[in-house]
Amino acid sequence: KAGVTQTPRYLIKTRGQQVTLSCSPISGHRSVSWYQQTPGQGLQFLFEYFSETQRNKGNFPGRFSGRQFSNSRSEMNVSTLELGDSALYLCASSLRGTTNEKLFFGSGTQLSVL
Amino acid sequence: GQQVMQIPQYQHVQEGEDFTTYCNSSTTLSNIQWYKQRPGGHPVFLIQLVKSGEVKKQKRLTFQFGEAKKNSSLHITATQTTDVGTYFCAGPDDMRFGAGTRLTVKP
Repeated sequence: KAGVTQTPRYLIKTRGQQVTLSCSPISGHRSVSWYQQTPGQGLQFLFEYFSETQRNKGNFPGRFSGRQFSNSRSEMNVSTLELGDSALYLCASSLRGTTNEKLFFGSGTQLSVL
Repeated sequence: GQQVMQIPQYQHVQEGEDFTTYCNSSTTLSNIQWYKQRPGGHPVFLIQLVKSGEVKKQKRLTFQFGEAKKNSSLHITATQTTDVGTYFCAGPDDMRFGAGTRLTVKP
């Protein structure tokens, strides 16, 4: 089985621009979660999607949004980029997104905002 | 949502020394998971603990879940350079992940 695939691997943007990141979960996995990781800040939860519906959302401003398609692929969008948005963005998939399932992470998208 | 606190934030050891990271929650956890992230890599699932007082071993790694299910620990015996990375504990909530403990090992 192919793992979780995130594209692009690296991205450089300037302040004010917007960006879209993509995540393809493991085949059969219907839950996709997104995390922001910055040095020393651990993994900050952004949101979780299941069957095209956002089930939970973390404490991030409305500039961060996402969606999930019928094939479970998910995209995350950040509008009006700020310097502080520079981070590694990780997505993780699981079968149903229940609390006792392990998460499978993608390699992440490293976003640099200049 | 519930959050887990993890200590220490950093740990530097000499190869061969032991290492322990601790995870604490103010509320009872239905389960706790541990992940390892190698430098430049992504988190990889290590183990899940569910039962009160549970102890699981994976070679030199020993995982414990407290009797009250509010804390957990990961202990590595005789660290090796391959153990380098950041170890995260994760509660069952979506806000689940602790800040992680970054382990460096001096050969």
